[in-house]
Amino acid sequence: DAKTTQPNSMESNEEEPVHLPCNHSTISGTDYIHWYRQLPSQGPEYVIHGLTSNVNNRMASLAIAEDRKSSTLILHRATLRDAAVYYCILRDVPSSNTGKLIFGQGTTLQVKP
Amino acid sequence: GAVVSQHPSWVICKSGTSVKIECRSLDFQATTMFWYRQFPKQSLMLMATSNEGSKATYEQGVEKDKFLINHASLTLSTLTVTSAHPEDSSFYICSARDRRTSGRGTYEQYFGPGTRLTVT
Repeated sequence: DAKTTQPNSMESNEEEPVHLPCNHSTISGTDYIHWYRQLPSQGPEYVIHGLTSNVNNRMASLAIAEDRKSSTLILHRATLRDAAVYYCILRDVPSSNTGKLIFGQGTTLQVKP
Repeated sequence: GAVVSQHPSWVICKSGTSVKIECRSLDFQATTMFWYRQFPKQSLMLMATSNEGSKATYEQGVEKDKFLINHASLTLSTLTVTSAHPEDSSFYICSARDRRTSGRGTYEQYFGPGTRLTVT
């Protein structure tokens, strides 16, 4: 799977938008961009995923660059409960379709009240 | 949403003993389950992929005889840490893929809450 690069940590103020960047310059045409987050002492939680077009759901928005070499997870109004490690993961869709996820180091988001 | 449970949530065992961790998909059938472990301040490391009714596929460097995985049904996978040692102390997390997404190009994975293993 192609690699991703994320900042180690970011800070945000409560109720402000947060933009979490992810670089994936070696992305292939069949790689989907997935975001998961992990709250302290919990298992990861799915946030959003996309291929080429920007995506929105109740949790967040995903903005994908036109060349797909980078993407940004957008939390529209950060809350204290959004403090977590955010993982940007590229997942190919191989013929075997096992779907395993390989986690990088992620970005630790701190939200200040 | 889909729920994955793990049991126990935490366990303390003595060195040399074996520990079994259960992973269950509560409201869906999982053809594939994954086992990860996570050391403090580190990311998740994939250990193995478990398919119902067949042998697990282990990632490079993971000892098959030490980490026994059984996926006997579409809702249950177990990880047994055999002859546990203090260096096996970690946070073990499972995830599951919904059977209904089989064949789809992409899908979500659902993660369990994790099991914290401490070997003394």
